[in-house]
Amino acid sequence: QLQLQESGPGLVKPSETLSLTCSVSGGSISSSSYHWGWIRQPPGRELEWIGTMYYSGSPYYNPSLKSRVTISIDTSKNQFSLKLSSVTAADTAVYYCARRMNVAGGWFDPWGRGTLVTVSS
Amino acid sequence: IQLTQSPSSLSASVGDRVTITCRASQGISSYLAWYQQKPGKAPKLLIYAASTLQSGVPSRFSGSGSGTDFTLTISSLQPEDFATYYCLQLNYYPLTFGQGTRLEIK
Repeated sequence: QLQLQESGPGLVKPSETLSLTCSVSGGSISSSSYHWGWIRQPPGRELEWIGTMYYSGSPYYNPSLKSRVTISIDTSKNQFSLKLSSVTAADTAVYYCARRMNVAGGWFDPWGRGTLVTVSS
Repeated sequence: IQLTQSPSSLSASVGDRVTITCRASQGISSYLAWYQQKPGKAPKLLIYAASTLQSGVPSRFSGSGSGTDFTLTISSLQPEDFATYYCLQLNYYPLTFGQGTRLEIK
């Protein structure tokens, strides 16, 4: 059974770069059947898609974050990463990683448990 | 694509039939999923491709619709169904979620 686990600092200072890793177990990140993505949820608010990437393709990013976000995949470690630069308090959120089916209209499942990142000095 | 869920919140009793609506600002074919989220937990996939029940999800959950109008129906509410529900459109980038529907116990 595929499992995803987010890891990274829970506290980031304003203007710095948020860096998170999602470790994938129980399956290969190099599978042609899936994409890999990040979604976030500010406290008490709705979900926001950040971006998605195929192991051998170019990533897709939310235009609202595109200038600050980088998603990358490390097939040797079976994990993928999120970097968000120049963070502000508005980037405080629970960050989830998830697998997306590589079909038209592919859905996200499963998700990691999420990790809270707080932006504060 | 904007997704508008209605209602934003809903009070209901165990055993009630409940319908939540998700309207897209333009047509998204059947590329819509529904998720259930409980406090402090990750969203759980209920329905994909607008009407396909995810494996392991109780049959009291059902989805319908295509184009711009979609519904999630719970045929007989159970205590564990009280949660927040989100729709997600998967037809166009950027992928977008609805604002959520909070289902509370009456």
